[in-house]
Amino acid sequence: NFMLTQPHSVSESPGKTVTISCTRSSGSIADNYVQWFQQRPGSAPTTVIYEDNQRPSGVPDRFSGSIDRSSNSASLTISGLKTEDEADYYCQSYDSITVVFGGGTKLTVL
Amino acid sequence: QVTLKESGPALVKPTQTLTLTCTFSGFSLSTSGMRVNWIRQPPGKALEWLARIDWDDETSYSTSLKTRLTISKDTSKNQVVLTMTNMDPVDTATYYCARETIFGVSEPFDIWGQGTMVTVSS
Repeated sequence: NFMLTQPHSVSESPGKTVTISCTRSSGSIADNYVQWFQQRPGSAPTTVIYEDNQRPSGVPDRFSGSIDRSSNSASLTISGLKTEDEADYYCQSYDSITVVFGGGTKLTVL
Repeated sequence: QVTLKESGPALVKPTQTLTLTCTFSGFSLSTSGMRVNWIRQPPGKALEWLARIDWDDETSYSTSLKTRLTISKDTSKNQVVLTMTNMDPVDTATYYCARETIFGVSEPFDIWGQGTMVTVSS
């Protein structure tokens, strides 16, 4: 089994760009697709990125995803930050037949 | 329209068995590529995947919890049931069910239920 490690929190100002990392502890980050979920308080998670860098319908192109084999990590980048982007963000991948979630990152837009 | 809704007891006592039901509509769990997952989230903590059942009855469980979990489906009722034995206060969490589609052209975890809060206390 592997773990996905995320920073506990990040903060940035409106209009700026923020990147949240998700580092895989063993095996290659490229072995399995990475998804990113946004969760606002009191709500269920929703997907903002799937298959490393794909955006679901309705997710603005301010959200982008990538993987970096050299650091064995995935990244979620949000540009043109808006106050509505303030939420918890979780990365997720697969370990063979099981599902692994990262520990989550609280994004504060101030 | 695809929807999922979790139901079950809000309060269980330590050592008891928890039974949660996910009732869904808008799709069939007998359709190839369909899965229903259970995920939980303790208050203020991260998401934790628990179990999954597939359209072909294949099941998968969290390595750390597999001795306590059983997932099953009733296709005719459009329901997936999760049981967790020997409940402990650390199992206090919001429990979500979520649809996963593996042959789709969009995000795998596309629809989540609203979640149901379960408190374990004597």
